[in-house]
Amino acid sequence: RKEVEQDPGPFNVPEGATVAFNCTYSNSASQSFFWYRQDCRKEPKLLMSVYSSGNEDGRFTAQLNRASQYISLLIRDSKLSDSATYLCVVNTPLGYGGSQGNLIFGKGTKLSVKP
Amino acid sequence: DAGVTQSPTHLIKTRGQQVTLRCSPKSGHDTVSWYQQALGQGPQFIFQYYEEEERQRGNFPDRFSGHQFPNYSSELNVNALLLGDSALYLCASSLAGLQGYTEAFFGQGTRLTVV
Repeated sequence: RKEVEQDPGPFNVPEGATVAFNCTYSNSASQSFFWYRQDCRKEPKLLMSVYSSGNEDGRFTAQLNRASQYISLLIRDSKLSDSATYLCVVNTPLGYGGSQGNLIFGKGTKLSVKP
Repeated sequence: DAGVTQSPTHLIKTRGQQVTLRCSPKSGHDTVSWYQQALGQGPQFIFQYYEEEERQRGNFPDRFSGHQFPNYSSELNVNALLLGDSALYLCASSLAGLQGYTEAFFGQGTRLTVV
């Protein structure tokens, strides 16, 4: 089983649609969770961190369910500029001070928003 | 404030050759991680450097080695290049801290093509 699994996609949606991305992770020791956005041939950029209480940033809402080891991202009122690959990312610390652990990325789900 | 910078941006090498990629972290950051992203895949963790030492390593062969300098910049070396090493190589920097994970910032990457 892969450490981080995402919907395979691609998702092709019209402008204004609501789209949901789902992700599961296998390591119950994981402590930090993120959604990154990656545009074609560019580096990944942090979209938002994900917390158990859920968090919202404008049209974007992220949820974490630790019991189910499940992460979601909801995009409302999709814009053409939302077209990108969305990466589900998990961090598991090494357990000693000063360590950053490493980021485990899902394969990514490509979103295309059409006019 | 310059972000994470990587050089070169593109590189073409022949099978069997060796390559060195370079990364300068974001100002104030002391931890550098390297990732390999093959086409259509999420980034895969190679290794992480902190205090000039390799702190963690992903599932990559010994052909992949690295170094961190006193100014926190880092190099990734790959020996005996294989066609399968063709990928986007990403450097991410962060600031180590006792409070756990802090946000990692990615460079624009080096696109390596092995022919």
